[in-house]
Amino acid sequence: EAGVTQSPTHLIKTRGQQATLRCSPISGHTSVYWYQQALGLGLQFLLWYDEGEERNRGNFPPRFSGRQFPNYSSELNVNALELEDSALYLCASSPSNTQYFGPGTRLTVL
Amino acid sequence: AQSVTQPDIHITVSEGASLELRCNYSYGATPYLFWYVQSPGQGLQLLLKYFSGDTLVQGIKGFEAEFKRSQSSFNLRKPSVHWSDAAEYFCAVGGGATNKLIFGTGTLLAVQP
Repeated sequence: EAGVTQSPTHLIKTRGQQATLRCSPISGHTSVYWYQQALGLGLQFLLWYDEGEERNRGNFPPRFSGRQFPNYSSELNVNALELEDSALYLCASSPSNTQYFGPGTRLTVL
Repeated sequence: AQSVTQPDIHITVSEGASLELRCNYSYGATPYLFWYVQSPGQGLQLLLKYFSGDTLVQGIKGFEAEFKRSQSSFNLRKPSVHWSDAAEYFCAVGGGATNKLIFGTGTLLAVQP
């Protein structure tokens, strides 16, 4: 069974640009979660999508947004990039209460 | 407030020695508890989870964890560490309506030959 996949592996942007990160969940999982792992800040919850709807979001500004598609894959968009957005962005999918993580996208903002 | 504390930032053990990583949580309701492992630059791999029932849970790679409600703890153990166990270990608590995971700050494990 294929795991959670994320693309791209690495992404380099400059301040003020927009970044789009993608996630494909494990087959049969309808929930997708996004987390940010920034140096010194640990793992922080960003967003939760289920059945195409945003169900919960963490304490992040509105320039962090996303969506979930009918096939349950998801996009995370970060607008007006700031230097402190540099981090590993992890996607997880879940059939219920257990989250399974992908390999992450390393976003570097210059 | 919901939180997870991993008191040990960095632990070094010799290969073949036993291991215990500590995790304490604060959570209003009955928690779902997890241990994940992360190798450098990689995602998180689920080691084990506790939802209810037997308080000693077995996971992958020979790891086990014990839930102690009275101590609000969920410590991870392994009887004999292998060099390939060197990684960062995260304890997490979740559940409830928000479904989000709250992570501890992680414990970085180094294994000496």
